[in-house]
Amino acid sequence: DGGITQSPKYLFRKEGQNVTLSCEQNLNHDAMYWYRQDPGQGLRLIYYSQIVNDFQKGDIAEGYSVSREKKESFPLTVTSAQKNPTAFYLCASSSSGTSPYEQYFGPGTRLTVT
Amino acid sequence: EDQVTQSPEALRLQEGESSSLNCSYTVSGLRGLFWYRQDPGKGPEFLFTLYSAGEEKEKERLKATLTKKESFLHITAPKPEDSATYLCAVQTLTDSWGKLQFGAGTQVVVTP
Repeated sequence: DGGITQSPKYLFRKEGQNVTLSCEQNLNHDAMYWYRQDPGQGLRLIYYSQIVNDFQKGDIAEGYSVSREKKESFPLTVTSAQKNPTAFYLCASSSSGTSPYEQYFGPGTRLTVT
Repeated sequence: EDQVTQSPEALRLQEGESSSLNCSYTVSGLRGLFWYRQDPGKGPEFLFTLYSAGEEKEKERLKATLTKKESFLHITAPKPEDSATYLCAVQTLTDSWGKLQFGAGTQVVVTP
């Protein structure tokens, strides 16, 4: 079955530690995205990538980093510089181009930093 | 500034009690409007894409409509399994690479 996988489902870290969230897709999509979701707020875009070896900052990129070495993979690192990292993180992918292509989401990773 | 606003924030329905959710948007130009369903602790599930005013799409008990300023998601004779948060998102003409702007969502609870 085609889809997007994220791991782990739950992640607990101490303050000051970097942590990497995994995102893999087998939909053959060119574009991939990372969002953050907080209670009562809409999804906010952290980073996006339209093609391998290229990515752009979204609206809230500070304290995060990404890489796109393979079409299928788009890992997100939450660094110690992120002031409020506890949140639900969602990865998505879509076809790319000028049409309004829908994004398909993974199951999410809930990160708790104490 | 582009904005997407969903109302109400929460909606409690009796099984069989039809209702509508609203998504109003203020954008420079609309490329597409998307509806998603999100269950607690899970990723959003794609429902519909609407492209132009007057367009309608249906799926089971859900029907989405679009005007020049807003979209409605009608839930007809809802069942408890329709309980979820419904998210609206827009893509504007200036965002050629696929950026979506999301509303905060409407949480729907359907009781038996």
